[in-house]
Amino acid sequence: AQTVTQSQPEMSVQEAETVTLSCTYDTSESDYYLFWYKQPPSRQMILVIRQEAYKQQNATENRFSVNFQKAAKSFSLKISDSQLGDAAMYFCAYRTVNDMRFGAGTRLTVKP
Amino acid sequence: DAGITQSPRHKVTETGTPVTLRCHQTENHRYMYWYRQDPGHGLRLIHYSYGVKDTDKGEVSDGYSVSRSKTEDFLLTLESATSSQTSVYFCAISESVTGQGYTFGSGTRLTVV
Repeated sequence: AQTVTQSQPEMSVQEAETVTLSCTYDTSESDYYLFWYKQPPSRQMILVIRQEAYKQQNATENRFSVNFQKAAKSFSLKISDSQLGDAAMYFCAYRTVNDMRFGAGTRLTVKP
Repeated sequence: DAGITQSPRHKVTETGTPVTLRCHQTENHRYMYWYRQDPGHGLRLIHYSYGVKDTDKGEVSDGYSVSRSKTEDFLLTLESATSSQTSVYFCAISESVTGQGYTFGSGTRLTVV
């Protein structure tokens, strides 16, 4: 079964600085999709970025980018120029045919 | 998200009582999912549906049942609520089985006392 591991339960970053959240996954499949979701205190799950495994180019969405290392099964999220509104739980997820598997999450605190 | 709503948003119930949570979508997506969120576990799949009257079990299905009689509605029932089912429950929808992320509802916080 596919598993997703986020080894950092909590992270903090100074406003305007850069932070990287780690994620590793385990799979025997060659084609799949990876995602990062943000969950602010409102509880809403918000899609931040997605990566297709067959694409070597790392995905980027404004201040958010990923470092996708397929051979290492690593999928980290980099947040540049951190803002107070980035404070949230962040979940890494792996998409299978029948469901999406989530990591346990990383709580990000942004210090002013 | 405007295309998917969950009800109720909060509920407190007593141990041993049946509880039904509702998920309603206006996107006409074929695939619907129920997850529970617990600290240290992220989100775990309870049940999913790939069409009307087509459902299947997920990772943590014991004590739960689902029904989908219409494309837009996916119901989750706790047959006899236990304290271990205190959690936040999320419904999600997807247009296809690959590629896209899910769109989530705003969640239901259920407390079983």
